[in-house]
Parts: sequence; structure tokens; C-alpha cells
Amino acid sequence: QVQLVESGGGEVQSGTSLRLSCAASGFTFRSYGMHWVRQAPGKGLEWVAVISYDGNKKYYGDSLKGRFTISRDNRKNILYLQMNSLRTEDTAVYYCAKDLEYFDNSDYFDYWGLGTLVTVSS
Amino acid sequence: QSALTQPRSVSGSPGQSVTISCTGTGSDVGGYNYVSWYQQHPGKAPKLIIYDVSKRPSGVPDRFSGSKSGNTASLTVSGLQPEDEADYYCCSYAGDYTLRVYLFGTGTKVTVL
Repeated sequence: QVQLVESGGGEVQSGTSLRLSCAASGFTFRSYGMHWVRQAPGKGLEWVAVISYDGNKKYYGDSLKGRFTISRDNRKNILYLQMNSLRTEDTAVYYCAKDLEYFDNSDYFDYWGLGTLVTVSS
Repeated sequence: QSALTQPRSVSGSPGQSVTISCTGTGSDVGGYNYVSWYQQHPGKAPKLIIYDVSKRPSGVPDRFSGSKSGNTASLTVSGLQPEDEADYYCCSYAGDYTLRVYLFGTGTKVTVL
């Protein structure tokens, strides 16, 4: 069965960096686009970024302004999110999610991890 | 780009129907038939319940249905069950031929009375 397990969250100071990981199993990771979606405490979902199945295309939400970088290792089945210059407003649970169809042929997220909490303090 | 607009809350008694609206613009909801809906129970990860405006993934009850008119998409939950009490989010593709971008709605809390 599909499993997505996020890790790397924690409490950090404003202005520092953090790298999140998402370990994938139960499907052919290298064939699917992958996303990061975040949710601030008590707030709604916000799409963060997507990376194509082969890692060649990356797109980001407007609010990130070049501070975040999504990447993947198709040999290790791991998705990453490098977060730099963190701000208090980046405090959220970060979920990784899988594309519904392979080879970037869908715009939906059919499996989600349980999320990892990032807390940015001032 | 702003979040899609949803009502903050809707409620209904068991067996009744509720409808949640999701309003965007011609650059997102109105411009593409790439609308999805997600159900999220407290402390849990979201679950895909509708995609392509009105399709249901395998295993999602047919009590859940989706539609779209102009810049507004809708999710209807018919025959409301206690387990349907959750937060619901719409999501729309909001990019173009060169940019892949997605917008979520503000979220709606469904209460089963």
C-alpha cells in the first residue's frame, strides 16, 4: 500500500533553514509528480510546490518568493523541501502528497502523508 | 493569487443534503475543469473525494457529488451521515500552459446536527 512519511520538522528560529523529507513506498515513485502542501495551525490548506516525476520541472506557490526548493531522489524514493530564510508565518504542518496519475497527467493529490510540524519562532 | 472562497460552515441533520460552494475566477475555477475536493477530519491528513469537477475516486460513497457553473464549483453531500462531519476544501488548477499552480479554498466545516 502507498505510504508517505514526512520527517525533518521541528522548532527553529526565524531566518534559519530546515530541510524536510518524505519517504515514499508502495508505488513506483519515479513515475509520479509529488507535491508539498502546508496547513498553519487552525487554518486552511495552502499548496506549496510540485516537482515532476523526473525532477526536471518545479513550480512554487506565489507566497514563497524563492525561499523554498523542492527536489527528489528517485533512487532513494525520497522527496525533499529545502526551506530557507524561515519566517514565523511559515509555521505549519507540512504534508507531502502524490499525484493521482503518473507522468504528471493529473492535478490532484490522492495520497497524503501524516505531515510534519514546523514551528518558526521569533 | 487569493484562496478560493468557501462558506465558513454549513450544517444539516442526518439524512439531509448540504451543498458547499467554492468561488474563484476565470483564471482558476472558471478557466479549467480541474477542480477537486478534499475531506479532512480533525488531526488527520486530507482525503481526495472528488476530482475533475465531478468524478469520485474508488471507495468514495456516491453520496458525494460535484458540479461547476462558471467561476463556482459545488460539493453536495446527500444523505448526511455522522462521519461526514469534517472540514472540506476545494482546490483548482490555476496555472497556464507553462506554469503549474494550484489554489485551495478557504475551507468549510460541515456539522451534522
